[in-house]
Amino acid sequence: RKEVEQDPGPFNVPEGATVAFNCTYSNSASQSFFWYRQDCRKEPKLLMSVYSSGNEDGRFTAQLNRASQYISLLIRDSKLSDSATYLCVVNRGGGGNKLTFGTGTQLKVEL
Amino acid sequence: GAGVSQSPSNKVTEKGKDVELRCDPISGHTALYWYRQSLGQGLEFLIYFQGNSAPDKSGLPSDRFSAERTGGSVSTLTIQRTQQEDSAVYLCASSIGRVAFFGQGTRLTVV
Repeated sequence: RKEVEQDPGPFNVPEGATVAFNCTYSNSASQSFFWYRQDCRKEPKLLMSVYSSGNEDGRFTAQLNRASQYISLLIRDSKLSDSATYLCVVNRGGGGNKLTFGTGTQLKVEL
Repeated sequence: GAGVSQSPSNKVTEKGKDVELRCDPISGHTALYWYRQSLGQGLEFLIYFQGNSAPDKSGLPSDRFSAERTGGSVSTLTIQRTQQEDSAVYLCASSIGRVAFFGQGTRLTVV
């Protein structure tokens, strides 16, 4: 089983729609969680951290469910510019502090 | 520099030749990652350096791949006897805590 798993998509949604992605992780000791965004032919960049109580940044809401070992990203009022691949990232903590990236979920927002 | 710098940005090589890819991380960042991304695919983890610890080489696909990090700073990824399936974008990232910053990658084409 992969450490971090995501549905690759693509998710094709109309402009203005609400879309949600989930990501599951296998290591229950994982400590930190993030969503990164990767535009076509560009490098990944941090979108937002995910906090235990859930957090919001404008149209984006991230949530963590430790019991079920998944994190989610909700995008409201989708824009064409939201089209990208969204990567789930987990930090397993411990001495190594290694970040593990999921392979990403592709979102296409259409007119 | 202010960000992660990778060189060359593009490399075309003949099958069977060796190549070296370079990564200059952000100054002071203790962790350094190498990933590979084939066209339309997700990130494939290759190797992880953290300070003076032994590197995590679990992602290297074959013994033709090796990497080193000198003085805890610059890293070089070497691919020996390149094959066409090695064609991909090779991404380097560095971090000091829980957030990683990526370089723009080296696009390797093996002909």
